Amino acid sequence: QVQLVQSGAEVKKPGASVKVSCKVSGYTLSEFSIHWVRQAPGKGPEWMGGFDPEQGKRIYAQKFQGRLTMTEDTSTDTAYMELTSLRSDDTAVYYCANGFWYFDIWGRGTLVTVSS
Amino acid sequence: DIQMTQSPSTLSASVGDRVTITCRASQSISDWLAWYQQIPGKAPKLLIYKTSNLENGVPSRFSGSGSGTEFTLTISSLQPDDFATYYCQQYNSYSRAFGQGTKLEIK
Repeated sequence: QVQLVQSGAEVKKPGASVKVSCKVSGYTLSEFSIHWVRQAPGKGPEWMGGFDPEQGKRIYAQKFQGRLTMTEDTSTDTAYMELTSLRSDDTAVYYCANGFWYFDIWGRGTLVTVSS
Repeated sequence: DIQMTQSPSTLSASVGDRVTITCRASQSISDWLAWYQQIPGKAPKLLIYKTSNLENGVPSRFSGSGSGTEFTLTISSLQPDDFATYYCQQYNSYSRAFGQGTKLEIK
């Protein structure tokens, strides 16, 4: 059974960075197009960025350009999302999801809390 | 960027009811629209893609329609598991924007 297994909850101070992992289970990472979507408390989901298999490169939502880095480790079938210069409004559940235009398989989410 | 607006924000209904949720786009998105269901504490679950195509395993009581800027998600006969929050998502443009959600509550 295909699963996306995410790392555990994080608490960070403003200005710090966070790195969240997403391990593909049941398939290999190369068979997936992993994207990252976050959801602040009480809000709708917000797409952050992901891998474009047609262009063969990562694409980022303009809002996160310069603060967001997505990487992959094919040897462990794990994708990573790193967000820097954290602010209180970055407090959210961060999901990895498979797809390109829409998303059919999701991880369980990783709560990132930014608080001084 | 394209903005997605859902209505109503909250909808109260009973088991067996037929309900409709509307999603409007700030500009035409053709039929590039998906719908998701989210239960509290869980990830969104894909229900429908390309406006009206049911994802594998989704019950046929769910249906979608629309084009351009106005879209609807209809549940023909509400079941207890359907009380959740529903989101639309456009993928006509790069931004892949989601709506703010419609919470479906038990009346």
